[in-house]
Amino acid sequence: KNEVEQSPQNLTAQEGEFITINCSYSVGISALHWLQQHPGGGIVSLFMLSSGKKKHGRLIATINIQEKHSSLHITASHPRDSAVYICAVRTAAGNKLTFGGGTRVLVKP
Amino acid sequence: GAGVSQSPRYKVAKRGQDVALRCDPISGHVSLFWYQQALGQGPEFLTYFQNEAQLDKSGLPSDRFFAERPEGSVSTLKIQRTQQEDSAVYLCASSLGLSLLGELFFGEGSRLTVL
Repeated sequence: KNEVEQSPQNLTAQEGEFITINCSYSVGISALHWLQQHPGGGIVSLFMLSSGKKKHGRLIATINIQEKHSSLHITASHPRDSAVYICAVRTAAGNKLTFGGGTRVLVKP
Repeated sequence: GAGVSQSPRYKVAKRGQDVALRCDPISGHVSLFWYQQALGQGPEFLTYFQNEAQLDKSGLPSDRFFAERPEGSVSTLKIQRTQQEDSAVYLCASSLGLSLLGELFFGEGSRLTVL
């Protein structure tokens, strides 16, 4: 079983819709990252969370440490939001990130 | 430079060839990470440097993989006697601080195809 599980694996939405991506993890963590990867492109860090909630523009990330769960929300989705969204956790033990498998998001105009 | 730079962006190698992938982190960044991302998968940790010291190489899949960062800035990931299963995107990331407490900056990746 993967230490970091994301759902759904694929998501298609119409422009303007509210999108939620979920991330569950099974290990103790000190921080969780949400990352965005465009096709053929590098990875951009969206958020780093250790508790609570963060907001940046139309993106909102929440984390519940007790439930070992995080969500990434995209409000008023736009075709340029189409990308793979990856959840990654930093374990309390070391300096490595453990990544989820990613959620492929397609927003249609 | 302004961001993490990786070269080459694309590399095609014949099975058995040696390859070298380069990462230029953001100037002054102490921590440098290499990840391997197979098609359709999330990245997998390979190795971590703090300045010139390789503190964790537990993710390197075999002794054909070797990484160095001799002066604490540029890093090279070398793969000897490449195999088809080595085909992947190799991502480099750097952060300013000594651990992952700070923001992580990723390069565009080097896509290796082994024929």
